[in-house]
Amino acid sequence: KNEVEQSPQNLTAQEGEFITINCSYSVGISALHWLQQHPGGGIVSLFMLSSGKKKHGRLIATINIQEKHSSLHITASHPRDSAVYICAVSPIITGNQFYFGTGTSLTVIP
Amino acid sequence: KAGVTQTPRYLIKTRGQQVTLSCSPISGHRSVSWYQQTPGQGLQFLFEYFSETQRNKGNFPGRFSGRQFSNSRSEMNVSTLELGDSALYLCASSFRGPGDTQYFGPGTRLTVL
Repeated sequence: KNEVEQSPQNLTAQEGEFITINCSYSVGISALHWLQQHPGGGIVSLFMLSSGKKKHGRLIATINIQEKHSSLHITASHPRDSAVYICAVSPIITGNQFYFGTGTSLTVIP
Repeated sequence: KAGVTQTPRYLIKTRGQQVTLSCSPISGHRSVSWYQQTPGQGLQFLFEYFSETQRNKGNFPGRFSGRQFSNSRSEMNVSTLELGDSALYLCASSFRGPGDTQYFGPGTRLTVL
């Protein structure tokens, strides 16, 4: 049983397209994180959300706590956005740990 | 401000050996978490330390252990290595724990032969 489900698993887009990655979770959470991992392994935290919506440049993250769902949007996608995007939740009950989604591998073609 | 550092970056060991990995968090961060990443299982939580105390542990055997020092630096140890322990081991630091923005280190790539 996976507490965090991401979709799609793989995504190929043309440069300039609008991209959406979805994350659903089954536990009560204190926070949800969107992470970006480029080839080579380094992970960068893009957003941390507990409610509402956040925007950073071309990236937008939203969360609906009632529906246990979050989306990551990339506007005007660019080849440098090619990476694996991972959703992670910090559960309320167990606390002080993460459950991870399996990741979405995004390739943006010029 | 220096980022999270991990040493060594690459490591090759043989089955049965043990290994110690090190993580130096960002200055001022008191929480350090460790993760294992494999192609088959993805990212999995190992354990989290805050002010030298282990606050949570993931579903890993007792061969995996860790500790945190008074300067917040952390080490993890894997004893009696198995082939399946080959993975990228990542640590992340934050001020208070998983409810805070996490800052990841570059990882240690462990290969067990």
